[in-house]
Amino acid sequence: QVQLVQSGAEVKKPGASVKVSCKASGYTFTTFDIHWVRQATGQGLEWMGWMNANNGDTGYAQKFQGRVSMTRSTYISTAYMELSSLRSEDTAVYYCVRVVRETGWFDPWGRGTLVTVSS
Amino acid sequence: QAVLTQPSSLSASPGASASLTCTLRSGINVGTYRIYWYQQKPGSPPQFLLWYKSDSDKYQGSGVPSRLSGSKDASANAGILLISGLQSEDEADYYCMIWHNSAWVFGGGTKLTVL
Repeated sequence: QVQLVQSGAEVKKPGASVKVSCKASGYTFTTFDIHWVRQATGQGLEWMGWMNANNGDTGYAQKFQGRVSMTRSTYISTAYMELSSLRSEDTAVYYCVRVVRETGWFDPWGRGTLVTVSS
Repeated sequence: QAVLTQPSSLSASPGASASLTCTLRSGINVGTYRIYWYQQKPGSPPQFLLWYKSDSDKYQGSGVPSRLSGSKDASANAGILLISGLQSEDEADYYCMIWHNSAWVFGGGTKLTVL
């Protein structure tokens, strides 16, 4: 079945960077986009950006421009999201999600990766 | 003012119907948007439910029961997720989402309690 498996929880200090991975299986990786959405504890969903898994094109939410980078390795069907200059407000669960191109059909979602930013 | 506004909570009885609203900011016309709906239960990622733009442009997610449906209230400039025949398993957070100004935007979510 279609599955996105994310890397484990991370604890980072303010100012550091974090790189979260998302391994896809059960479908042809390059035929869908991968988006990233985060959720702080007890809060709502926040869209971060998207990546075309075929050609690597990306688009980022304005809030994260200059601080986020979304990449992939088609050889191992894995997407990555790197967020730099971390601050405490970045503490959240980060989800990767497969998206049918040019739609808001986000399905399925990974289980999420908790990133904690603390000194 | 937020792009999408959802009531923070809603309660309804088992077997009843619940209408979850997603109001678009003034100046953003609900008629031009597909509205996507997601359900999230505690400790789990969100799950896609459906999208609705019009009766000719709508889609129900695989396995999503037909007692969940989407619609719009143009007079209120809102999208609506209607859940009929409420069951305990419907208790969850529900989020709406639209594509606006080159970004996906989520509403703040509605916590639905079935009691």
